[in-house]
Amino acid sequence: AQSVTQLGSHVSVSEGALVLLRCNYSSSVPPYLFWYVQYPNQGLQLLLKYTSAATLVKGINGFEAEFKKSETSFHLTKPSAHMSDAAEYFCAVRGNYGGSQGNLIFGKGTKLSVKP
Amino acid sequence: DTEVTQTPKHLVMGMTNKKSLKCEQHMGHRAMYWYKQKAKKPPELMFVYSYEKLSINESVPSRFSPECPNSSLLNLHLHALQPEDSALYLCASSRTDSSYGYTFGSGTRLTVV
Repeated sequence: AQSVTQLGSHVSVSEGALVLLRCNYSSSVPPYLFWYVQYPNQGLQLLLKYTSAATLVKGINGFEAEFKKSETSFHLTKPSAHMSDAAEYFCAVRGNYGGSQGNLIFGKGTKLSVKP
Repeated sequence: DTEVTQTPKHLVMGMTNKKSLKCEQHMGHRAMYWYKQKAKKPPELMFVYSYEKLSINESVPSRFSPECPNSSLLNLHLHALQPEDSALYLCASSRTDSSYGYTFGSGTRLTVV
């Protein structure tokens, strides 16, 4: 069965510093992996996705993630944090319900705080 | 149109009320989903519709009744809810190959009193 583990429920960085949010996955098949961002009282917005093409995936708002099969990791990074990046971030893997339709299995989330 | 629209944004209902949540998308997605999200928790899958047919029901209590009247609309009918059902209810849609990712609505914040 597929699962994801996000290390660190809360990460705090200074504005302009590197953002690193960690996600490790478990999957018996090649995984489809996603990062979503959720601002307070809003839905989830897709930041980026890995679907077995390039291992370095670029997303919106300057975020990127690297798929490392040997480490079963899909960490999210951004070179320079902005105040507007403060939000909850969820790593997710596509489950195997319903074949290719799938369902999203979420990690517990990491709250990113950005200090001025 | 690249959005999933959910109405209402906020809903307060009593335990004896009947209400409905509505979700609409015009992206041609043929898979639609209901998720429930409690505070400080990740979303949890409730129902999946594929080509307007219910394909997954994650053992959700019968006081939640989904409906997919056409390929653009998804409803969640609520009846006799409990205070612990208070949560953010998220609708999402995707291509039937969900590796392309889901598009989420902004949710309905439900409070049961």
